[in-house]
Amino acid sequence: ETGVTQSPTHLIKTRGQQVTLRCSSQSGHNTVSWYQQALGQGPQFIFQYYREEENGRGNFPPRFSGLQFPNYSSELNVNALELDDSALYLCASSYLGGNQPQHFGDGTRLSIL
Amino acid sequence: DQQVKQNSPSLSVQEGRISILNCDYTNSMFDYFLWYKKYPAEGPTFLISISSIKDKNEDGRFTVFLNKSAKHLSLHIVPSQPGDSAVYFCAATDSGTYKYIFGTGTRLKVLA
Repeated sequence: ETGVTQSPTHLIKTRGQQVTLRCSSQSGHNTVSWYQQALGQGPQFIFQYYREEENGRGNFPPRFSGLQFPNYSSELNVNALELDDSALYLCASSYLGGNQPQHFGDGTRLSIL
Repeated sequence: DQQVKQNSPSLSVQEGRISILNCDYTNSMFDYFLWYKKYPAEGPTFLISISSIKDKNEDGRFTVFLNKSAKHLSLHIVPSQPGDSAVYFCAATDSGTYKYIFGTGTRLKVLA
């Protein structure tokens, strides 16, 4: 069983740039969620995708957007990067239905200069 | 407004003894609770969960207790092992939303 994989592992960008982060879900999972984890904090929910549509969103501005593809892989796009966007971005997949835990990838560390 | 709180940033325990990690929540709509373990440079790993219809769930050395009236849950690790040294996050969700709310984590150090 292949787990959740994320790419790239590290990324450095400058303010105002745009970034795309990628995630492959664990096989058998149909839902993907994205979280932002700042230093010393717990992960914060950005949004969730199910059947290629956004299925819930946290307190993040519209410059954070996403996509889910038919094979359940996903992208997180962030436009007009700000210094505060520097964080670990985590992708989690799960099977929607009943109480099934989300399983996380190892994350992408994004640094904004 | 922090809906899930882990008030102890760190905890040190001797190998073989019990580790107790605590978590408090404020939202009475939460009905599913989880514990994750995180090593440096890795993503959170699911450890154990509990539904609000139960007050205890056990898996090997790990037991989670839920006190709904106090809005409190705890994770017990018995016996603690050096490999358990990690940051532990509790998370809660209203299963209608599937959005997880995490605490800020407790760093557990198990001393050999």
